[in-house]
Amino acid sequence: GNSVTQMEGPVTLSEEAFLTINCTYTATGYPSLFWYVQYPGEGLQLLLKATKADDKGSNKGFEATYRKETTSFHLEKGSVQVSDSAVYFCALSALQGAQKLVFGQGTRLTINP
Amino acid sequence: DAGVTQSPTHLIKTRGQHVTLRCSPISGHKSVSWYQQVLGQGPQFIFQYYEKEERGRGNFPDRFSARQFPNYSSELNVNALLLGDSALYLCASSRGQHNEQFFGPGTRLTVL
Repeated sequence: GNSVTQMEGPVTLSEEAFLTINCTYTATGYPSLFWYVQYPGEGLQLLLKATKADDKGSNKGFEATYRKETTSFHLEKGSVQVSDSAVYFCALSALQGAQKLVFGQGTRLTINP
Repeated sequence: DAGVTQSPTHLIKTRGQHVTLRCSPISGHKSVSWYQQVLGQGPQFIFQYYEKEERGRGNFPDRFSARQFPNYSSELNVNALLLGDSALYLCASSRGQHNEQFFGPGTRLTVL
């Protein structure tokens, strides 16, 4: 079945540091890939997405590239801010049937000033 | 425009009881999906409804059921509650069956 594995947390960085959160997936066919962010006490917000191989999703300084050859979708940001502190989830969605999002376990990110 | 709304925000029940959670989708959205998020884990898919019909079901027991109403709002029902049902229940709506999903703030269920 489909699954997502992401980097264990928690991750603690200083402001302006470079961020990478690793995400790899297992899926039949060619799924769409997503990064969601969950701020404390809130629901999930879509951060970025990519729907086919070599697509790059980007938003708010975050980027991730759909790598079919390595089945990866790593999240990166060049200079993090305190406001980026949140839990980040990598997810995939198969293209057939119900739009069932399959999530990784989440990575808690804390940015210190 | 209002986002996805869920009620109640928090709920405390005891084992064996029944619970009903409610979700109102974004206006114009015809699909609602339900997810269970246990503390420290990623959300797990429970159901998707589109145009008032069940379109997908995750690996959850028959104690979990749902329905979608003519106005596209939805209810999730859980019978015979277990301690392990304690979780954040998230509702997501989308315009169609395969469009981007927008999540609500969730209902925090605690089973004692």
